Amino acid sequence: EAGVAQSPRYKIIEKRQSVAFWCNPISGHATLYWYQQILGQGPKLLIQFQNNGVVDDSQLPKDRFSAERLKGVDSTLKIQPAKLEDSAVYLCASSLVAGGTGELFFGEGSRLTVL
Amino acid sequence: TQLLEQSPQFLSIQEGENLTVYCNSSSVFSSLQWYRQEPGEGPVLLVTVVTGGEVKKLKRLTFQFGDARKDSSLHITAAQPGDTGLYLCAGENFGNEKLTFGTGTRLTIIP
Repeated sequence: EAGVAQSPRYKIIEKRQSVAFWCNPISGHATLYWYQQILGQGPKLLIQFQNNGVVDDSQLPKDRFSAERLKGVDSTLKIQPAKLEDSAVYLCASSLVAGGTGELFFGEGSRLTVL
Repeated sequence: TQLLEQSPQFLSIQEGENLTVYCNSSSVFSSLQWYRQEPGEGPVLLVTVVTGGEVKKLKRLTFQFGDARKDSSLHITAAQPGDTGLYLCAGENFGNEKLTFGTGTRLTIIP
């Protein structure tokens, strides 16, 4: 079974530039998550989708971050304009069911460095 | 936002030793998961505990959910270099099914 695919793996940009990350979840997984993980810390939820609807985006900095999940499958996360503090690994995860008792399957992440 | 504090933040021990890491909160969780994350990869689920006082074993790893469902511990017996990684606990909030990750414990096992 193919896992969660993310791209690009690495991205270096200057502050105020824009960047986009792509995620393809495990086939059949209705729930998709984007997490931000700053070096040495635990992942912080940015946005959760159930199919193509947003379930939780309370911690998404909406002035600069946006995310969409077209047709309830692939998802993109965009940052525009980027700030230095956005340097982090952006993890995408998917699960069959929403909620903590369901296992989250993570991709390898996209590491962003903002200079 | 409910906070999950993990301790210690860093732990470096010799191969063959035993260790315990902790996950604490002032909030009650409906369930709690433990993940391990290796460098350059995403976290991988180790176990889910649901019932207060529950103990689960996974080979040399023993997980316990506190009676009050506010805390959890992970005990590793005879640590191996392959146990090296970032250990993350994640608690599910009652009602909104939101999963909150802890601050993490970075474990290094020295051969």
